[in-house]
Amino acid sequence: NAGVTQTPKFRILKIGQSMTLQCTQDMNHNYMYWYRQDPGMGLKLIYYSVGAGITDKGEVPNGYNVSRSTTEDFPLRLELAAPSQTSVYFCASSYSPGGGGNTIYFGEGSWLTVV
Amino acid sequence: AQSVAQPEDQVNVAEGNPLTVKCTYSVSGNPYLFWYVQYPNRGLQFLLKYITGDNLVKGSYGFEAEFNKSQTSFHLKKPSALVSDSALYFCAEGDFNKFYFGSGTKLNVKP
Repeated sequence: NAGVTQTPKFRILKIGQSMTLQCTQDMNHNYMYWYRQDPGMGLKLIYYSVGAGITDKGEVPNGYNVSRSTTEDFPLRLELAAPSQTSVYFCASSYSPGGGGNTIYFGEGSWLTVV
Repeated sequence: AQSVAQPEDQVNVAEGNPLTVKCTYSVSGNPYLFWYVQYPNRGLQFLLKYITGDNLVKGSYGFEAEFNKSQTSFHLKKPSALVSDSALYFCAEGDFNKFYFGSGTKLNVKP
């Protein structure tokens, strides 16, 4: 069972470069999320989506963009990478919103270093 | 705004001893609460959740959590810790469209 799949697993970027983190889920979940986890810190929500064509900002959206053209895919775009974006990025999905009590499932993470 | 607090950055226990990892929440009404575990270089894995009903929730790997409405707490427990339980544990709360995560507690179980 694939669940939530993220690519790449590791990436080194130079300051000012751009890249896209790919995320796909095969559970037919409506809700998808991008979190970042800084060393020794908890998770901060970057963007989330409640369905295809609908996205919204989380706590730390600056420097990122997302799109949701299909139910399965939720790519995260980093524009003009900065050292402050060095982090571990997690994509996640759930069948219904957090308030619905359904479980959120995570990908394995993408380790990004900006130098 | 909703928030979840994990007051301990780290918990150390000896193998075979009971363990408790603390979590408090702030939402009023009926919260949806979760515990997740993260092993090194891995994503978060679901352990258990409280939706409604029995205040003692049983989950994976022998873990359980006790929901206490009067103390707004949802502490994670295990009667006998294993070295393999050493990991980072996150408490989370489900909101209308989002999940709010605590800062995490590192559990160290020593042989």
